[in-house]
Amino acid sequence: KNEVEQSPQNLTAQEGEFITINCSYSVGISALHWLQQHPGGGIVSLFMLSSGKKKHGRLIATINIQEKHSSLHITASHPRDSAVYICAVVGGSNYKLTFGKGTLLTVNP
Amino acid sequence: DVKVTQSSRYLVKRTGEKVFLECVQDMDHENMFWYRQDPGLGLRLIYFSYDVKMKEKGDIPEGYSVSREKKERFSLILESASTNQTSMYLCASSLSAGLGSLYDEQYFGPGTRLTVT
Repeated sequence: KNEVEQSPQNLTAQEGEFITINCSYSVGISALHWLQQHPGGGIVSLFMLSSGKKKHGRLIATINIQEKHSSLHITASHPRDSAVYICAVVGGSNYKLTFGKGTLLTVNP
Repeated sequence: DVKVTQSSRYLVKRTGEKVFLECVQDMDHENMFWYRQDPGLGLRLIYFSYDVKMKEKGDIPEGYSVSREKKERFSLILESASTNQTSMYLCASSLSAGLGSLYDEQYFGPGTRLTVT
């Protein structure tokens, strides 16, 4: 069983919609990263969270350590937000980053 | 801006060949990482290095070795390439040494898509 589960696996939205991507994990963690991967492979780090909420532009990330759950929200989605979004947790069985399999987001104009 | 570069975007090799993937970062980062990414499996750590000449095995080190002779350069070596090593390989770096690096932003290279035939 993967220690990090993301949902949904695939998400299609219309431009302007509010997007939520979820990440659940089964082990105790001390922090969680959200990453974005555009077609072609490049990965960029969006957030690192250990509690509460962070906001950057139209992106908002929240985490509830006790419930073992994090969400990434995108407000007023745009086609350029189309990418794979990956969460990764710090902690778990080997105290390394453990990655989820990613959520493929497609935003149509 | 931090820049992480990888020697090739696409590479095609034959089974049994020795393959070198090179990664260079320009921001004096302590940690460097090699991942592979496969559909349905996500990113998996192969090896990482927290200092020159130091290396640690990740989750899937079998069939791979690494070399870090200089701080800015981290090489991944496939001693005898096999078809099951066909994958996207991503290099990353982060600033801090040790466990603190797990809380740092990781900066990724553009990836090398390796095909072994």
